[in-house]
Amino acid sequence: ETGVTQTPRHLVMGMTNKKSLKCEQHLGHNAMYWYKQSAKKPLELMFVYSLEERVENNSVPSRFSPECPNSSHLFLHLHTLQPEDSALYLCASSQAGDRANEQFFGPGTRLTVL
Amino acid sequence: LAKTTQPISMDSYEGQEVNITCSHNNIATNDYITWYQQFPSQGPRFIIQGYKTKVTNEVASLFIPADRKSSTLSLPRVSLSDTAVYYCLVGDLRGGADGLTFGKGTHLIIQP
Repeated sequence: ETGVTQTPRHLVMGMTNKKSLKCEQHLGHNAMYWYKQSAKKPLELMFVYSLEERVENNSVPSRFSPECPNSSHLFLHLHTLQPEDSALYLCASSQAGDRANEQFFGPGTRLTVL
Repeated sequence: LAKTTQPISMDSYEGQEVNITCSHNNIATNDYITWYQQFPSQGPRFIIQGYKTKVTNEVASLFIPADRKSSTLSLPRVSLSDTAVYYCLVGDLRGGADGLTFGKGTHLIIQP
């Protein structure tokens, strides 16, 4: 247990569906992140939130929409995804201002787009 | 960001010491070196971080030569459960909320 939980752990959706991934951190951190890990590819940073404001958006398609309502929760809203979006989506948190920038990752959501 | 190069894969046996070397020739003055471990279908886990010389914790040691152009993660007496992917990351850690840039990592396989 890292103190970061993600739900659901597995998700299968069609290309016309709308779904949301949820992340919650219990560590009192003030920064949260979404990463994508496709098969045989390095982890890719998608979004960064610091103090509930989005500070980075790595050219992610608009069919992925993040939301950070407070410092403990992070959502990734999904709509009209493509099969190539199938991947492991990982959430992480850290304490911005911590010199080490140690990030704590959740277990991920395994997404399959049919 | 400084680019890192590490072996794609390594094999070893239980009880052995394993050393994984990472090259980062373009490391900048403010960059730290951080290693993460990832098991299949799990998120990465922070192992160790250093700036120069040697750092040791309960899990591993990190050796960094004076020129800082490379670093070596040392895992003492590995077990089967140390089979994982190990990532070397280099970045400026001045306290912001910075996303991490992962490479392909080193897939370490420990055999009985």
